[in-house]
Amino acid sequence: NAGVTQTPKFQVLKTGQSMTLQCAQDMNHEYMSWYRQDPGMGLRLIHYSVGAGITDQGEVPNGYNVSRSTTEDFPLRLLSAAPSQTSVYFCASSYSPVLPSPLHFGNGTRLTVT
Amino acid sequence: GQQLNQSPQSMFIQEGEDVSMNCTSSSIFNTWLWYKQDPGEGPVLLIALYKAGELTSNGRLTAQFGITRKDSFLNISASIPSDVGIYFCAGGTGANSKLTFGKGITLSVRP
Repeated sequence: NAGVTQTPKFQVLKTGQSMTLQCAQDMNHEYMSWYRQDPGMGLRLIHYSVGAGITDQGEVPNGYNVSRSTTEDFPLRLLSAAPSQTSVYFCASSYSPVLPSPLHFGNGTRLTVT
Repeated sequence: GQQLNQSPQSMFIQEGEDVSMNCTSSSIFNTWLWYKQDPGEGPVLLIALYKAGELTSNGRLTAQFGITRKDSFLNISASIPSDVGIYFCAGGTGANSKLTFGKGITLSVRP
């Protein structure tokens, strides 16, 4: 069982470059989300989706775009990378948008913006 | 917004010892979750709690949903080196998009 798969594992960008972080899940989960993890800040929600074709903003959405064209995939796009976006990014999914459906996390993408 | 307090930021214990971690909030939650993150990996769910007063075990781990619904604790008994990692609590009130995470406690276990 693959679960939640994130690619790439590591990425270095220059300021102003754009890129897409990939996330795929094979559990037929309705809900998918993106978090960033920074030292001393815990996990903060960037964007989320309650189903294909539906996305919404989380706590820290600025500088990021998402789309959900299929149930399986939920890519995160950085339009113009900034050093403040240096972080570890986690994709997470659950079978329902409603608790108590627990989140399943991918192994993260470590992004450095120089 | 809602905040969860986990302290201290780091804990150091000897192999074989028990350790207890608290998570407190000024807000009421309907669900409490405990996750563990190993170095270089994503958080993995350890225990989920759905009712006030609930006490749930998973091997050497035991967690409780506080009666006031404003706190939860996680206990690890007879610690072993692979218990090393970051332990997060999370509280929820309906939707996964409204899940609030604590900042995590980094646990170190000395052999």
